[in-house]
Amino acid sequence: EIVLTQSPGTLSLSPGERATLSCRATQSVSNRNVAWYQQKPGQAPRLVIYGAFGRATGTPDRFGGSGSGTDFTLTISRLEPEDFAVYYCQHFGSSRVTFGGGTKVEIK
Amino acid sequence: DVQLVESGGGLVKPGGSLRLSCAASGFTLSSYTISWVRQPPGKGLEWVSSISSSSGFIYYADSVRGRFTISRDNAKNSLYLQMNSLRAEDTAVYYCARDQGRGYDFWNGFFDYWGQGTQVTVSS
Repeated sequence: EIVLTQSPGTLSLSPGERATLSCRATQSVSNRNVAWYQQKPGQAPRLVIYGAFGRATGTPDRFGGSGSGTDFTLTISRLEPEDFAVYYCQHFGSSRVTFGGGTKVEIK
Repeated sequence: DVQLVESGGGLVKPGGSLRLSCAASGFTLSSYTISWVRQPPGKGLEWVSSISSSSGFIYYADSVRGRFTISRDNAKNSLYLQMNSLRAEDTAVYYCARDQGRGYDFWNGFFDYWGQGTQVTVSS
């Protein structure tokens, strides 16, 4: 069973700064099967990045996904006020779905 | 607009049962795999179960297999999650979510639309 570990648990940054979120899998996975979601308090998650690199509909181009093997990264080039939220990575494969524990991006 | 609306949540005693529903609109339900994902209070997301467009494949998380049953009625544009033998650790907001990929029994594993969730609380 693949386990996803996200780091850091909390990222304290100011608007305009760059955010780098990490997701590590316990074994090598296809980057086609990795996604990132954004969740704000009281709201359902929203798909941000799929297939490791693809931006979902409505995702601004300041969001970028990268990585391969066991290490994946979500980068937000310049944080906007609406980007402060919790982000989850997700893997799909072997007839199951796994989520990471989440990274909270908070305003410093 | 694509909409998923969950219902059926509530307070139930340990060992009890509950049936959740998910009403879909704004798209052709019969073309999509749909999943249930839950989120315990203050915690992260946990996948629960998925059912393909024709019900041809059904998968469950280990934590619910044998206790939960997912089903769908495409003619009624609805999904269901029958939850039996409920435990305190099943307490969560339950979301239904649509697969991003479209096609007969196709599952690409990414969730592009989510409902707002329904709260399930298991407590004596």
